[in-house]
This record gives sequence, structure tokens and C-alpha cells, in this order.
Amino acid sequence: EAQVTQNPRYLITVTGKKLTVTCSQNMNHEYMSWYRQDPGLGLRQIYYSMNVEVTDKGDVPEGYKVSRKEKRNFPLILESPSPNQTSLYFCASSFTPGRYTGELFFGEGSRLTVL
Amino acid sequence: AQTVTQSQPEMSVQEAETVTLSCTYDTSENNYYLFWYKQPPSRQMILVIRQEAYKQQNATENRFSVNFQKAAKSFSLKISDSQLGDTAMYFCAFMKHATNKLIFGTGTLLAVQP
Repeated sequence: EAQVTQNPRYLITVTGKKLTVTCSQNMNHEYMSWYRQDPGLGLRQIYYSMNVEVTDKGDVPEGYKVSRKEKRNFPLILESPSPNQTSLYFCASSFTPGRYTGELFFGEGSRLTVL
Repeated sequence: AQTVTQSQPEMSVQEAETVTLSCTYDTSENNYYLFWYKQPPSRQMILVIRQEAYKQQNATENRFSVNFQKAAKSFSLKISDSQLGDTAMYFCAFMKHATNKLIFGTGTLLAVQP
């Protein structure tokens, strides 16, 4: 089954404790991206990757890091989480821009709470 | 920069009735896509319908259809014969061609009443 898998789905942590949210896709997609969803703000892009070893900032990258060492994986790293990073996070993937008519495949979301 | 505006934070409709969700956007681009996503309580992001800007014909998917007015930069979603399972948050989104980056509106929470 084609899917984007995120882990953990739920996490409560404390300020400053490093954490990683993993994202894996099995569709051989080149493009992967992270979004955060906050009430009244919709979803906003954090980082994206056009292919292995190619990453770039989205609209709200502060406080986050990413890496793309393998095509299927795109982890989101919070080196020192703060309460303003409490949010619902989505990973999404698709083929290279221009190769298709426009659809992102989303993971099921990861609810992160930073105390 | 592109922006997407959903001016209806919440809406309610009776089962079997028709409801229209509004969306406007701002862009100077000529080649782009527009989407409606549904987010039920499970939080999953589900693509409802997609419209290519170069197509004049409005997209339809079963009970879901759009009214795409390119000159007015308007992209409303009509849900016919509303069902209880349509209860969800609905997001309108814009994507510039060949970018894969979605710009989302703030969402409309739709409640279908029995």
C-alpha cells in the first residue's frame, strides 16, 4: 500500500529535550516536505527536499532541522524544542515538480506538545 | 507572494442539503493549481478536488464541485447532498506550477447536522 508514515503520532516532551519525528514514504517520490498546522493559521511549510541531499527552508524553518540521506526518509529534528513548537506536524511527498498535475501525499500527522 | 483566504471559519448544513464553502486567493502567476482538502477528526489530510488554472471547465468529483472564477481569483467548493461523514475541516490551497509547495487557507469547519 502506497503511504507516508510518520512516527511518533503523539508526543509530549519538555523544553530543550531534543526530538526527531521520522517520515518515510514507499512511493519512490523525489520530493518531500514538512508542514505544521496551528489553529487559525492553516498549514505552513517548514522545510522541503527536492531529492537526496537537497533541502531548503520553507516559510517557518526557525527551530527545525531536516536531513535527506535516503530517498525514502525525511526526518524533522527539533534540537531544543520550545512551547511555541507545540503543533500538529505533517509530512508530505510527491514526484518531482512538473512530472505530475499536482498532488501531495500526506502522512497521518504527529501531534507534538512541548511543556 | 501568494495568499489564500477562507472567510468562513465555521459553517453548518443540514443532512442532504447543499453547502458552498468560499475561498479567494491572490497571485500574479498564470499557471497554478487549486485544491480543496478535507480534514476529518482523524486529522488525515484527504484531497477532495483539484483544479488546474488553465482549464476553464470546473472540476467535479461525485457530490463535490467547484466554481472556479480565475479573473475574480475565487475558488468555492459546493457539496451536494451533504452527509454526516462530510463533517470536517476544509482547507483551500494554492500551488504554483512546478513547485509542489501548497499555500493553505485558514480552514472552514463544516458541521453536517442530522
